[in-house]
Amino acid sequence: GEQVEQRPPHLSVREGDSAVITCTYTDPNSYYFFWYKQEPGASLQLLMKVFSSTEINEGQGFTVLLNKKDKRLSLNLTAAHPGDSAAYFCAVSAGFASALTFGSGTKVIPCLP
Amino acid sequence: DAGVTQTPRHEVAEKGQTIILKCEPVSGHNDLFWYRQTKIQGLELLSYFRSKSLMEDGGAFKDRFKAEMLNSSFSTLKIQPTEPKDSAVYLCASSLDWGEEQYFGPGTRLTVL
Repeated sequence: GEQVEQRPPHLSVREGDSAVITCTYTDPNSYYFFWYKQEPGASLQLLMKVFSSTEINEGQGFTVLLNKKDKRLSLNLTAAHPGDSAAYFCAVSAGFASALTFGSGTKVIPCLP
Repeated sequence: DAGVTQTPRHEVAEKGQTIILKCEPVSGHNDLFWYRQTKIQGLELLSYFRSKSLMEDGGAFKDRFKAEMLNSSFSTLKIQPTEPKDSAVYLCASSLDWGEEQYFGPGTRLTVL
């Protein structure tokens, strides 16, 4: 079955700097890709959904890049701020009517410049 | 619209007890998921229902974990008998259809003594 590896597990980033979280997956037939954010004590909330046909998606304060050739999905926080303090999870959906496979998560901690 | 609701929010059980966790998905959603979240293992799929039919269950959880969906608006997760290693946050999520965003409930924090 699908396996998803997420790196790094922890990320300290200075406020205003950018940071990248990367997930690699194994199933070449994977079709839907998601990034979720989980703030301390809260549940998961969707950051962005990426279709297989798109490569770069921009959100508010972040960019998502999908590289199907390398089977890699990345989340780039463009200018870290205190509100980015959270755990981030990638998730991949392989075949039809299959559940999501989640990465192990990255805990992001913005620190003072 | 109400999101995913889960009850109880906190549960403390003695080893060997039977506990039942409850979930109400977003109205009209066809897919329902149960996950277990721990710091070490991350998010693990326990069960996936599609239109009330069980599509996937986490193989490692079959013996003591049983999820049911008797109608489209209510699901339960029974753990019988509980063990201390079951201490975790149990998340319920629902989505409109395959490939759509999963909406997560607030979770039930289970502590088994």
